[in-house]
Amino acid sequence: KAGVTQTPRYLIKTRGQQVTLSCSPISGHRSVSWYQQTPGQGLQFLFEYFSETQRNKGNFPGRFSGRQFSNSRSEMNVSTLELGDSALYLCASRPGGTTSSTDTQYFGPGTRLTVL
Amino acid sequence: GDSVTQMEGPVTLSEEAFLTINCTYTATGYPSLFWYVQYPGEGLQLLLKATKADDKGSNKGFEATYRKETTSFHLEKGSVQVSDSAVYFCALRRSSASKIIFGSGTRLSIRP
Repeated sequence: KAGVTQTPRYLIKTRGQQVTLSCSPISGHRSVSWYQQTPGQGLQFLFEYFSETQRNKGNFPGRFSGRQFSNSRSEMNVSTLELGDSALYLCASRPGGTTSSTDTQYFGPGTRLTVL
Repeated sequence: GDSVTQMEGPVTLSEEAFLTINCTYTATGYPSLFWYVQYPGEGLQLLLKATKADDKGSNKGFEATYRKETTSFHLEKGSVQVSDSAVYFCALRRSSASKIIFGSGTRLSIRP
């Protein structure tokens, strides 16, 4: 079974631009979560989508948004990029359906975003 | 709020040494606990997990026991290899929420 895939793997943008990152979950997984990883703040939860609905949201400004499509693929968008948005953005999928603590999340390789 | 504290790195050991990476947590209820590993240039891989008190998670020679009384989930391995060099993250998820809360990560380097 193919793992979680993220595209693109690397991205360079300039301040003020916007960016869209894509995530394809493991086949059959309906929940997709996004995390931001930076050296200073570590791994921080952005949001989770399940069946095209945002189910949870972390403490990030409204410039960060996402969506999920009917095939469970997800995109996240960051508008008006700032230097501090430079990070590794990780997507994770799981079967979903409940918030059971036994549900294991599987992570993709991430998209490395650099904002100049 | 919920939090995870793990030992500062980097940790440098010689091959075949014994490894312990300490992890303690603060959370209400009975969270599930996880260890994830991140190899250079890659995403996170689940290493092991435990979902209730006294459970022992194990994988690839690594072990961790869910200790409710000390709110700890220390990672151990009896004999490390160069290939174990990576960053290790301790994490929790409460049963009523879906987001994972991560510790700051511990970089492990193994010398041949």
